[in-house]
Amino acid sequence: RKEVEQDPGPFNVPEGATVAFNCTYSNSASQSFFWYRQDCRKEPKLLMSVYSSGNEDGRFTAQLNRASQYISLLIRDSKLSDSATYLCVVNLYSGYALNFGKGTSLLVTP
Amino acid sequence: EPEVTQTPSHQVTQMGQEVILRCVPISNHLYFYWYRQILGQKVEFLVSFYNNEISEKSEIFDDQFSVERPDGSNFTLKIRSTKLEDSAMYFCASSEGHSGDTEAFFGQGTRLTVV
Repeated sequence: RKEVEQDPGPFNVPEGATVAFNCTYSNSASQSFFWYRQDCRKEPKLLMSVYSSGNEDGRFTAQLNRASQYISLLIRDSKLSDSATYLCVVNLYSGYALNFGKGTSLLVTP
Repeated sequence: EPEVTQTPSHQVTQMGQEVILRCVPISNHLYFYWYRQILGQKVEFLVSFYNNEISEKSEIFDDQFSVERPDGSNFTLKIRSTKLEDSAMYFCASSEGHSGDTEAFFGQGTRLTVV
């Protein structure tokens, strides 16, 4: 299993749609999980941390399934401004390194 | 809002030359990092720096690479003898606490092109 794996997409959705991204990670002992957003040729920016019980921030919901080593991000009521690449990030080995997935590209169309 | 700043935004260098990429982390942060992203690839960890020493490095961070915090504000990445495959976007990041526990803030990146 690759360390952090994501479906690369692209996901093309109309405004207002709900879209879900998935991610799997290789180390069952991992403790810290995040979703970052990266706009084209820009730096990654933290979207939200992912907690064991699941968490929500406005239109964004993150879920963690430790048994399946699986993380998800749900975006409701998509906006044009949500168009970006969404990076699944895991602190795989509890060191200082963040391990990034390759990202899932989202394009929201009018 | 405090931010991580990097200079230059774009650097073109000839193969075999030394380059120094510069970063000013957020002032109250204690942990500093360099990551790189080759075009079309994932973001990869290079090195972390805490308490004036390297706390972790990846396999990519070989003897050609070094980091330094020469004063209280700057954090630099030096590549001694650049190769074509060093062409990438290099991101500096900083965090208040350990990156597993607190948000890592990334700079806007330096695009390094080795010709």
